[in-house]
Amino acid sequence: GDSVTQMEGPVTLSEEAFLTINCTYTATGYPSLFWYVQYPGEGLQLLLKATKADDKGSNKGFEATYRKETTSFHLEKGSVQVSDSAVYFCALSHPPYNNDMRFGAGTRLTVKP
Amino acid sequence: EAGVAQSPRYKIIEKRQSVAFWCNPISGHATLYWYQQILGQGPKLLIQFQNNGVVDDSQLPKDRFSAERLKGVDSTLKIQPAKLEDSAVYLCASSSGDSKNIQYFGAGTRLSVL
Repeated sequence: GDSVTQMEGPVTLSEEAFLTINCTYTATGYPSLFWYVQYPGEGLQLLLKATKADDKGSNKGFEATYRKETTSFHLEKGSVQVSDSAVYFCALSHPPYNNDMRFGAGTRLTVKP
Repeated sequence: EAGVAQSPRYKIIEKRQSVAFWCNPISGHATLYWYQQILGQGPKLLIQFQNNGVVDDSQLPKDRFSAERLKGVDSTLKIQPAKLEDSAVYLCASSSGDSKNIQYFGAGTRLSVL
C-alpha cells in the first residue's frame, strides 16, 4: 500500500540556518503530495502541496518539489526562524477517487535563537 | 471562515470506561475524517464520511469504536470500552470533497486512558 517515509528527528537548528527535511514515498499512480505543519497544541495546517511531477509547492519561505524519478518531496527553507519550530508531516493522497491521506511519522524541528 | 471545531480538548478516563468526541466541520464541507494520532506518529485515518454516509472505515476497530454523522454535518466518535492503547490525539478534518483534497484539521482531542 501507499506509504510515506520522513527523516527522523528531532532536528535542531540555529536561527537563519538552512533547513532540509527529507520525504520519500511509495505509491501507485500519481499521488498528490503535501507538507503539513503542527504547532504545539494545535491541529495540522497545510503548508504546501504539489499535484504532479516537477510541480513546486511554496509557502512562507518553504519549498518542496515533486520528484517522480526519485519519489521524493523534500522540504526546504533557506533561513529558518524561531517561529518555525513545529512538527512537520509529509503526506500523500489520491484525489478524487481516494481521499485517504497517508502521513509520515513527522519530524520535529526546533530553531534556537 | 470558522475552522473545524472539536471538543473536548482533553479527556482523562480509566480503562473500560466509554468516551465520546465531537466535531463540527467547516460549513459546507461534505467530507469529514477522523484520525488517530499516537504520540510520535503521524495521523492514521479511522473513518471517512461523505455527507452522512461512510466512505471508508477499514481501519476503525469496530469492536470498540463507532462514529456517526447525522444530517451530514456534525460528527461524534465513541470508544466503548476504552483500552490503554487508545491514548492518543483524535483529530477531525474536513474537506470540500473536490479534486484538490485540501483537508482542514481541528485542534484535536487528547485522550489519556489510565
